[in-house]
Amino acid sequence: DAKTTQPTSMDCAEGRAANLPCNHSTISGNEYVYWYRQIHSQGPQYIIHGLKNNETNEMASLIITEDRKSSTLILPHATLRDTAVYYCIVRARSGNTGKLIFGQGTTLQVKP
Amino acid sequence: DTGVSQDPRHKITKRGQNVTFRCDPISEHNRLYWYRQTLGQGPEFLTYFQNEAQLEKSRLLSDRFSAERPKGSFSTLEIQRTEQGDSAMYLCASSIRGRGGQETQYFGPGTRLLVL
Repeated sequence: DAKTTQPTSMDCAEGRAANLPCNHSTISGNEYVYWYRQIHSQGPQYIIHGLKNNETNEMASLIITEDRKSSTLILPHATLRDTAVYYCIVRARSGNTGKLIFGQGTTLQVKP
Repeated sequence: DTGVSQDPRHKITKRGQNVTFRCDPISEHNRLYWYRQTLGQGPEFLTYFQNEAQLEKSRLLSDRFSAERPKGSFSTLEIQRTEQGDSAMYLCASSIRGRGGQETQYFGPGTRLLVL
C-alpha cells in the first residue's frame, strides 16, 4: 500500500471549514483513499473514502486531485467536537488482506 | 456507536498474568481485525480473520499472543505472561467486503490494558 504524508497538526476556528491535506504520490490505480478520525481515547471512526472522484457524505467531503497524488478532507463547518487525530490511509481495492496501515495522522484542534 | 463492542473496556493486570479480550463484530461482517495502539502512535495491525480462518498475523504478534474466532462470530485475543510493553489500547474492527473489493472497517471502542 502506498505511503501517505500529512501535516502533524492544524488549527481551525469553530464554524469555519477545516481543510486537511494528504499526499500520496505513490498511489496506484487500484488503491482507495480512506479517512478515519480518532477522538481522544476512542476507537477510530470512519469518515469517507474515494477512488478518483470527489465524494461527499454527511460528515465531510473528499477532494482527490486529477493525478490522484494528493487529496483534501473538508469538514465544512468545524465544531469543537471535531477536535481529533485525522488519518489518511491508502489501501488496495483487492487482495487478500484489508488491513489498514495508519501513519501519525494530523491532530486537528478546533478553537472557539 | 459503530455496532462493534469490546469487553472489557479497561484492564489492569500484573506482569506475568494472562489476559483475554473479547470483540463482538457487527453481525453480518465476515472480516474481523485486531490492532494495537500505543500512546501517541497510530493503530498497528496485529491479525485478521475471514469467518473463522485466521489469514494473516503481524510480526508484532509474538508467541505470547493468540487470537481465535470460533464459528466466525465473536473473537478473543489472549496475551499470556503479560509484560509492561504490552500496555496499549487493543482495537477490534469488523468489515464485509463488497463488490469491487471495497471494504470499510468499523472500529470498536477498544480495550485499554495496563500492565504493572
